[in-house]
Amino acid sequence: KNEVEQSPQNLTAQEGEFITINCSYSVGISALHWLQQHPGGGIVSLFMLSSGKKKHGRLIATINIQEKHSSLHITASHPRDSAVYICAVSPYFYGGSQGNLIFGKGTKLSVKP
Amino acid sequence: DTGVSQDPRHKITKRGQNVTFRCDPISEHNRLYWYRQTLGQGPEFLTYFQNEAQLEKSRLLSDRFSAERPKGSFSTLEIQRTEQGDSAMYLCASSPSYTDTQYFGPGTRLTVL
Repeated sequence: KNEVEQSPQNLTAQEGEFITINCSYSVGISALHWLQQHPGGGIVSLFMLSSGKKKHGRLIATINIQEKHSSLHITASHPRDSAVYICAVSPYFYGGSQGNLIFGKGTKLSVKP
Repeated sequence: DTGVSQDPRHKITKRGQNVTFRCDPISEHNRLYWYRQTLGQGPEFLTYFQNEAQLEKSRLLSDRFSAERPKGSFSTLEIQRTEQGDSAMYLCASSPSYTDTQYFGPGTRLTVL
């Protein structure tokens, strides 16, 4: 079993729909990251969070530490949101995080006009 | 801030050849990471530097792989006697010591024929 699991693997939505991508993890973490990867490989960090909720524009990320679960929401989705969204965690080590990430396999989102 | 750069962007080589990739992190970022990503999968951690010290190596990093960061600035990843299974995207990321947020380069896509 992977330490970071994402669902769904693939998601197709119509423009304007509300989108949710889920992430569950099984290790102790110091932080959870949501990343966006466009075709061609470039990865951009969207959020880093260790508790609660963060919002940036139409993107909202939440985390429940007790349940080891996080969600990424996209409101009013747009075709330019089409990308692979990756959940990753910074595993916790005694003495502090070393910073390396453990990644989920990603969710491929396609938003149709 | 010019971002993380990687060179080359693409490399095609024949099985058995040696290849070397370069990563230039964001200046003053003392942490540098190498990841490998195969098609349809999330990135996997390979190795991590803090300044010039290589602090962690994944067991994915066989003895054919070596990484250096001689002056704590740019880093190189060398693969000796390449195999077809080495075909992947090799990603470099950097971060300052005060945050786990990582900034990714565009990646080097390696194809081993």
